[in-house]
Amino acid sequence: DTGVSQNPRHKITKRGQNVTFRCDPISEHNRLYWYRQTLGQGPEFLTYFQNEAQLEKSRLLSDRFSAERPKGSFSTLEIQRTEQGDSAMYLCASSRIRDGIYEQYFGPGTRLTVT
Amino acid sequence: AQKITQTQPGMFVQEKEAVTLDCTYDTSDPSYGLFWYKQPSSGEMIFLIYQGSYDQQNATEGRYSLNFQKARKSANLVISASQLGDSAMYFCAMREGTGGTSYGKLTFGQGTILTVHP
Repeated sequence: DTGVSQNPRHKITKRGQNVTFRCDPISEHNRLYWYRQTLGQGPEFLTYFQNEAQLEKSRLLSDRFSAERPKGSFSTLEIQRTEQGDSAMYLCASSRIRDGIYEQYFGPGTRLTVT
Repeated sequence: AQKITQTQPGMFVQEKEAVTLDCTYDTSDPSYGLFWYKQPSSGEMIFLIYQGSYDQQNATEGRYSLNFQKARKSANLVISASQLGDSAMYFCAMREGTGGTSYGKLTFGQGTILTVHP
């Protein structure tokens, strides 16, 4: 396993701009999750895919947020018309079942700063 | 309602000693899983240990053990023989439902910063 990778690692953008983040899960992991983590807090669930199907979205995910996972491989998270409140670390995780447990493996995150 | 509560914002321990990080949870689902993750200053979340609600024995992984008290709804992490590299933020998390019926999303606590002194 090469691990979950995320790009970019850091993104600084001006308020009102659109940004897109990419997550490459561990190969053969069929589940992929996006979380958001603000400073000093635990991660908060945003959305979840099983293969290419987006099965759940948190109410934290406003209409400005959209996520895709074409072909069930990598995923993208887009934020339109960014706001300062969107500044956070965006974490991606992937999982597969092992011994009856879905262990989630996290990527290094993308830190977004909206100025 | 807070589902995962970590009441210790910060903990200090001497190198080579044991430390317990507290976690309590709240759920009405009889099937759930409890996780502990370590987040060093680099930011990456590292999986440490898992306990299923139906597991009869406390989980152990090397120097990590989970003190699972189901009736009290607590899932404390015990780190034995602390090392300087254990200094990090530690998160307790819960997944409601288990196996294929569960979507698997995790709910995290607020975290505890552990500092190991030499």
